[in-house]
Amino acid sequence: AQSVTQPDIHITVSEGASLELRCNYSYGATPYLFWYVQSPGQGLQLLLKYFSGDTLVQGIKGFEAEFKRSQSSFNLRKPSVHWSDAAEYFCAVGGPSGGSYIPTFGRGTSLIVHP
Amino acid sequence: DAGVTQSPTHLIKTRGQQVTLRCSPKSGHDTVSWYQQALGQGPQFIFQYYEEEERQRGNFPDRFSGHQFPNYSSELNVNALLLGDSALYLCASSSGRGTGAFFGQGTRLTVV
Repeated sequence: AQSVTQPDIHITVSEGASLELRCNYSYGATPYLFWYVQSPGQGLQLLLKYFSGDTLVQGIKGFEAEFKRSQSSFNLRKPSVHWSDAAEYFCAVGGPSGGSYIPTFGRGTSLIVHP
Repeated sequence: DAGVTQSPTHLIKTRGQQVTLRCSPKSGHDTVSWYQQALGQGPQFIFQYYEEEERQRGNFPDRFSGHQFPNYSSELNVNALLLGDSALYLCASSSGRGTGAFFGQGTRLTVV
């Protein structure tokens, strides 16, 4: 069964500092990996996704993530955090099943940004 | 483009009642998935509809049912509501096999 672990429930950073959110996954084959962001009272927005190819994936809002198969990880990074990045971040893993891709989500990491 | 729209945004129901939530997919999308997000948790997959049929289902009881209409919009029905059904219900739409879905803002259901 596929699963995702986001070991950090909360992360606090200062505005302008770099950010890394951790994600470890379990999946029986080459996974499809996603990062989503959820602002309070909002739905989820896709930041980036990895299907194959280059293991360093660029996303929206200046985010990137690196797929490391040997570590079963897909950590999200940003070189300089803005106050507007404060939100809940979800990592998800999925793959083709029954004609579609149904991602399994982690429990999320809450990002707090100090001025 | 209005994106994925869900209605209502909030509602309160009593235990044992039935509820219907609605979702209109993003223009050009034909696949709708429903998720339940409990407080402090990630979304849990309920089911997915494609071509008006349930294509896949997660680990949810039969009290949860759905429907997709010819215009690709969808409904989620929950019967015999339990307190534990209180959650944010998210609808996601996609095209074809559903990679990188677009999510609506959700319906906050409170069961009292």
